[in-house]
Amino acid sequence: NAGVTQTPKFRVLKTGQSMTLLCAQDMNHEYMYWYRQDPGMGLRLIHYSVGEGTTAKGEVPDGYNVSRLKKQNFLLGLESAAPSQTSVYFCASRASGGGETQYFGPGTRLLVL
Amino acid sequence: GNSVTQMEGPVTLSEEAFLTINCTYTATGYPSLFWYVQYPGEGLQLLLKATKADDKGSNKGFEATYRKETTSFHLEKGSVQVSDSAVYFCALLYNQGGKLIFGQGTELSVKP
Repeated sequence: NAGVTQTPKFRVLKTGQSMTLLCAQDMNHEYMYWYRQDPGMGLRLIHYSVGEGTTAKGEVPDGYNVSRLKKQNFLLGLESAAPSQTSVYFCASRASGGGETQYFGPGTRLLVL
Repeated sequence: GNSVTQMEGPVTLSEEAFLTINCTYTATGYPSLFWYVQYPGEGLQLLLKATKADDKGSNKGFEATYRKETTSFHLEKGSVQVSDSAVYFCALLYNQGGKLIFGQGTELSVKP
């Protein structure tokens, strides 16, 4: 039981390049989330999903897209990376039906030059 | 709107000292409250939670009581260890979509 995993662990991009971050969970959770963590700002929600095939915007969605084609996977895409997207990205998942605890992945560190 | 405010860090303590990290919140209704901990180089882990007023969450010697009258959820530990060095995040659960709203985090450094 691996919990929540994220790929890659670290990536360097040039401005304008695109990439996809992958989050996978093996707990059969309905809800999945993408956050970014920046110094002094805590974690801010980018996008989230309440089930396979659904996505919704969070607090800071601009410049990102997401897809939830399979229940266990939640992809975060950057179509044209900007230096302001340099951050640490965390994925989380939780059960539905009253389960409130979110389980976090180890994070992806992204540097945009 | 809903928000969480934590005391600023970094906080530096000697081993066996008493720890308090303040957390206050603004929310409509009655949210659930959480403390998450992030050890260096890792993701966040749930430390403790409380789901209603006057509930006390506890884990690994840490405690926090949900105080509705003061809208607070302060984290305490009677005797910290070097291994408690980490960043601590207070959060509230915003029920629409089960979204968490985090405070800015408080870095704790415990010296031997």
